[in-house]
Amino acid sequence: QVKLQESGPGLVKPSETLSLTCTVSGYSIGSGFYWAWIRQPPGKGLEWIGSVHFSGRTYYNPSLQSRVTISADTSNNQFSVQLSSVTAADTAVYFCARGGAGSCGGECYGHWGQGALFIVSS
Amino acid sequence: DIQMTQSPSSLSASEGDRVTITCRASQSIRGYLNWYQQKPGKAPKLLIYAASTLQSGVTSRFSGSGSGTDFTLSISGLQPEDFATYYCQQSYNTPYTFGQGTKLEIK
Repeated sequence: QVKLQESGPGLVKPSETLSLTCTVSGYSIGSGFYWAWIRQPPGKGLEWIGSVHFSGRTYYNPSLQSRVTISADTSNNQFSVQLSSVTAADTAVYFCARGGAGSCGGECYGHWGQGALFIVSS
Repeated sequence: DIQMTQSPSSLSASEGDRVTITCRASQSIRGYLNWYQQKPGKAPKLLIYAASTLQSGVTSRFSGSGSGTDFTLSISGLQPEDFATYYCQQSYNTPYTFGQGTKLEIK
């Protein structure tokens, strides 16, 4: 059974860097699929941040590309996101997720972490 | 970016009803359309992928159709657990984008 769990500090000061890690169990991230980060501001909709393919290739949302880095650590079966120069607009629940079938292009998400709320505040 | 527009934004229905939610893409996304259900405080749950394929473990009361720019999610025989917010998502081009959501409420 695949499980994903987000971790990281829940409070970040403006202009600092938000760092989150997703620990995966039940599947080796280096074996297949896309591994994605998606966020949801309180009371709002979903925004795709980016993803890392099991090959190591990364894909980013252009709206965040100048501030975001996604990386994978296959030895610890984790993948991470860093978002720099944060503002209040980055306050959101951050989800990690695993991509799925090739028939959806690989980036439909059938497995999700529970989500982690990150607040940007001084 | 490809814009995804859902209608309606909210919907009231009764148990046992059949409802349909529509999702329109700003350009053709072929069949790369996915549907999710989200309940308060929970992660989204994948219901349908590639427009019409039911995700494993999801009840057949959910069905999806469409291609190109226009897609629908139908739910038949509404059950109490179906009252939630539904999102469509295109997986055709990055950045992958979601619709704004449709909140399904009990009448």
